Amino acid sequence: GAVVSQHPSRVICKSGTSVKIECRSLDFQATTMFWYRQFPKQSLMLMATSNEGSKATYEQGVEKDKFLINHASLTLSTLTVTSAHPEDSSFYICSWSGTTEQFFGPGTRLTVL
Amino acid sequence: GENVEQHPSTLSVQEGDSAVIKCTYSDSASNYFPWYKQELGKGPQLIIDIRSNVGEKKDQRIAVTLNKTAKHFSLHITETQPEDSAVYFCAASIAQGGSEKLVFGKGTKLTVNP
Repeated sequence: GAVVSQHPSRVICKSGTSVKIECRSLDFQATTMFWYRQFPKQSLMLMATSNEGSKATYEQGVEKDKFLINHASLTLSTLTVTSAHPEDSSFYICSWSGTTEQFFGPGTRLTVL
Repeated sequence: GENVEQHPSTLSVQEGDSAVIKCTYSDSASNYFPWYKQELGKGPQLIIDIRSNVGEKKDQRIAVTLNKTAKHFSLHITETQPEDSAVYFCAASIAQGGSEKLVFGKGTKLTVNP
């Protein structure tokens, strides 16, 4: 399968700061990618769908001004959690849409103190 | 919208036994049903998938069955091994706005006891 990387793998920040998470597709290009959030012992919840060069489409209940997505190329997307609060602590996972399946990254553990 | 229900939430089996996890979905337009294995602290890994034009697919010890009429699909793992212990998620894919979104079940924590 395709290789997807995320950076950083884990981050701890103070409440009120912003955190940027990077998601790269290393060996293929795709127009569409997705950002998910997973709270402890829960399932993956889709946050937004992003197409390269377009504004992301956010799921209901996800604030677009808080979770900024930049998808400037076919292999790189970033998610910025602005003014992070403890309730934003979660496991953030990206995926890229292949021809027949989605390819997931290893996830980023965000802890907001 | 699509709703995916997954059962059981936890499953404990003895090494060598079979494990079965079941999912139902609500949107008859869904046509792609992947299963993922997630180990602690890692991203989900695709283990098998099935599309709506077939009823069963097998890959070594893993098989998936799909009943489109009843809108349910199942994961079967035979000859389980301790390394099969993980959380398994089913998902159903729906086309939306030119892309296919995945809606996940709540997950099943499988424990294989040596």
